[in-house]
Amino acid sequence: DVVMTQSPLSLPVTLGQPASISCRSSEGLVHTDGKTYLNWFHQRPGQSPRRLIYMVSNRDSGVPDRFSGSGSGTDFTLKISRVEAEDAGVYYCMQGTRTWTFGQGTRVEIK
Amino acid sequence: EVQLLESGGGLVQPGGSLRLSCAASGFTFTTYAMTWVRQTPGKGLEYVSSINNGGGSTYYADSVKGRFTISRDNAKNTLYLQMNSLRVEDTGVYYCAQYIAAACCWGQGTLVTVSS
Repeated sequence: DVVMTQSPLSLPVTLGQPASISCRSSEGLVHTDGKTYLNWFHQRPGQSPRRLIYMVSNRDSGVPDRFSGSGSGTDFTLKISRVEAEDAGVYYCMQGTRTWTFGQGTRVEIK
Repeated sequence: EVQLLESGGGLVQPGGSLRLSCAASGFTFTTYAMTWVRQTPGKGLEYVSSINNGGGSTYYADSVKGRFTISRDNAKNTLYLQMNSLRVEDTGVYYCAQYIAAACCWGQGTLVTVSS
């Protein structure tokens, strides 16, 4: 299985400041169709994970443009340009190129 | 709009059984492979099982192989997960989702608690 490793696992952030989460895969994520299926999810307490970013850098409908995804190969990053209160929760990277696997999650806490 | 509604969770003793259902709407169910993913206190988010669009091919995580059975009824737009020989470590929220690489569409989940 592809192992997904996130860092940090906990991220205290001040409102209005940037935040960055790293995700590393144990092998490359380029699918046979040429696309890279690295996706990012956000989960609030009591809710199901909601996809924010798909295929490395594509924002889902309704996702604010303060969220951006980047990366290639085995190294990927989710950035929030200016954190807002509603951004608190747990962020997961996941790969869909092979049998789905997920990172451990990064808990974003607003200071 | 894609909608996936899981049901069937509950409290069961170790060694017991449960059958989860996932009612799908808002898309052509017969076009999509489907999957069950769970979120447990011990392992976080974890792929459990998947099934192709016709139901003829099924796949399982090693942790559930031989105990869980995935199936689907395309006439009823419904996905199932039969869970037997349940263990305490199977406790968690079970989500159904379209099994596509971009992983867009998940249900709200159903809670399974295995405890004596």
